[in-house]
Order: sequence, then structure tokens, then C-alpha cells
Amino acid sequence: SAVISQKPSRDICQRGTSLTIQCQVDSQVTMMFWYRQQPGQSLTLIATANQGSEATYESGFVIDKFPISRPNLTFSTLTVSNMSPEDSSIYLCSVPSGRGYNEQFFGPGTRLTVL
Amino acid sequence: EDQVTQSPEALRLQEGESSSLNCSYTVSGLRGLFWYRQDPGKGPEFLFTLYSAGEEKEKERLKATLTKKESFLHITAPKPEDSATYLCAVQDYKLSFGAGTTVTVRA
Repeated sequence: SAVISQKPSRDICQRGTSLTIQCQVDSQVTMMFWYRQQPGQSLTLIATANQGSEATYESGFVIDKFPISRPNLTFSTLTVSNMSPEDSSIYLCSVPSGRGYNEQFFGPGTRLTVL
Repeated sequence: EDQVTQSPEALRLQEGESSSLNCSYTVSGLRGLFWYRQDPGKGPEFLFTLYSAGEEKEKERLKATLTKKESFLHITAPKPEDSATYLCAVQDYKLSFGAGTTVTVRA
């Protein structure tokens, strides 16, 4: 399975500011996924980041709010822009692996608190 | 839209008291059903993938089974270290997660 790291592990931010979260994988992968896990809720897919193309966003998520970069096959960033307290969540990246790349392995997450 | 419902929301067990978690789902084209374990403050840890009805997978005290409409995660003789939130997810073109079952095992 892939080894995934995220930075920062947690942060406390002020309303109206932006935070960029980094995701690093120890192997080359075509797709990387970004999820949000709001307090007490399950994981929701924000977008799929493909190297060399624009990210694909799920319903309810837009590029202006969550811009994503994918400069190479081992790295991606997610920016949470113009933050509000409702953006307080755990943000996780994941990559496909395993049989037919059908399984997903997750990073440790970034715990974001917006005041 | 895919739907995944997990029950119960929370489960408190005595050490050694076996139990089962349920995951019922509706999906247009099932490519796989996944079980994850999530500890507080950490990302989900992959446990199992099930691909077809009748399939079973085991790992230590955990056993996952799959039918056409639901999956069960059986915990046999649990220990306190099995305490965690267990997440179920189904995949067609993306992973859709249930809300999870939080299991607490008391010594």
C-alpha cells in the first residue's frame, strides 16, 4: 500500500484567510482524491486531482473555494479559500491502490479549525 | 445517488462480547464494498474489499460478509484495542461512505 503524508497535520485559522494543504505520496499515482470529514459526519469527496489536467469537482464543491494543484505524480495541494467556521473539518487525501487500483488508501488528515 | 446506511451508530461491548455491524447500500453499479477503521484524529485505515455477493474476508477478530443489499462486519471476542469507528463505503465511479459505527470495547 502507498505511504501518504499530509502537511500541516492541524491548523487554527482566522475567518477570511486561506490555507493550503499538501499531500505527498511515496509512489507515482495517476489519480489523487481530496475528501472532507465534517465533525461527526462521514467522508465526502471534494474532487479528483489528475496530473496534467484540471481537477474534477463533485456537486457542491467549486474550484474558486477549493483550488487544487497537481504538479506531478506524487504531490497535490488543496487550498481552502476565504474560510468560514463552516469549513472546520478534517481534510484527507487518498490514492488508489491494490487490486485493479480499486482500493483507496488515506493520508492521516489535516484538522482545520476556523475561528 | 448511491446511499450507504450503517447501523448502529454506536456500539458498546464488553471485552469478549461478539457482535455485528451492518452496512446497507443502494448503488447503480457496485465495483466494490470497502470497510475501513478510523481512530480518533487519524485517517481511515483500509480493512477489506468485497466484490461480489457471498464473498467473505477475515482479518484477526474481524470478518466481513457481503450480500446484494448489505454487508456485515463481525467482531469476534473483541478487545479494547478494537475500539474505533468502522466505516463502510461503496464504489461505482467514486467512493460513497456511510456515517460509521463507533465501537467501544470495555475491558
